[in-house]
Amino acid sequence: GAGVSQSPSNKVTEKGKDVELRCDPISGHTALYWYRQSLGQGLEFLIYFQGNSAPDKSGLPSDRFSAERTGGSVSTLTIQRTQQEDSAVYLCASSRGGGGGNQPQHFGEGTRLSIL
Amino acid sequence: GENVEQHPSTLSVQEGDSAVIKCTYSDSASNYFPWYKQELGKGPQLIIDIRSNVGEKKDQRIAVTLNKTAKHFSLHITETQPEDSAVYFCAGDSNYQLIWGAGTKLIIKP
Repeated sequence: GAGVSQSPSNKVTEKGKDVELRCDPISGHTALYWYRQSLGQGLEFLIYFQGNSAPDKSGLPSDRFSAERTGGSVSTLTIQRTQQEDSAVYLCASSRGGGGGNQPQHFGEGTRLSIL
Repeated sequence: GENVEQHPSTLSVQEGDSAVIKCTYSDSASNYFPWYKQELGKGPQLIIDIRSNVGEKKDQRIAVTLNKTAKHFSLHITETQPEDSAVYFCAGDSNYQLIWGAGTKLIIKP
């Protein structure tokens, strides 16, 4: 079956530009997570969606970062006025159920973002 | 809140030998502990998980053990092969999310 799909797979942009990253979760998965991973580092939690609602946005690094989810499915992560420190791999994961952390998370391949 | 510590950060073993990666957690309410493998340039993939009602789970060359009293769990890989080279992450559940360990880079020497 189809897994989590992220696009684009790679994005290179100039400092100061806005970027939009997309995540298509596994069909029927109600929970969706965004993470950031810098080179050689671990997973940094950004935001969690249950359906279209985001109960926890505490991981977003600054007000330049925002995310939305529509129709309980596709999610977009937007970074405004990008800075060089935003360069990283952005990973999306989805899971079943009512949003409990006790369900497996299934990851996409990530978007590799490079800010020049 | 939950805190998950993972060690070692790097592990180098001879092909064919066993590898063990250990994690400790702080929240006694945690009940779900997955392990993920991340190959270079790819997203993490679930390889095995364990829930608090069992102490051990095996899947071919991979096993996970859980000690709830001591709050630690371990990943065991036997008869390691070159394709086992990757970064491995442990995690524990906390409310709606997983809390992640920092990762272990496993190197398999030929």
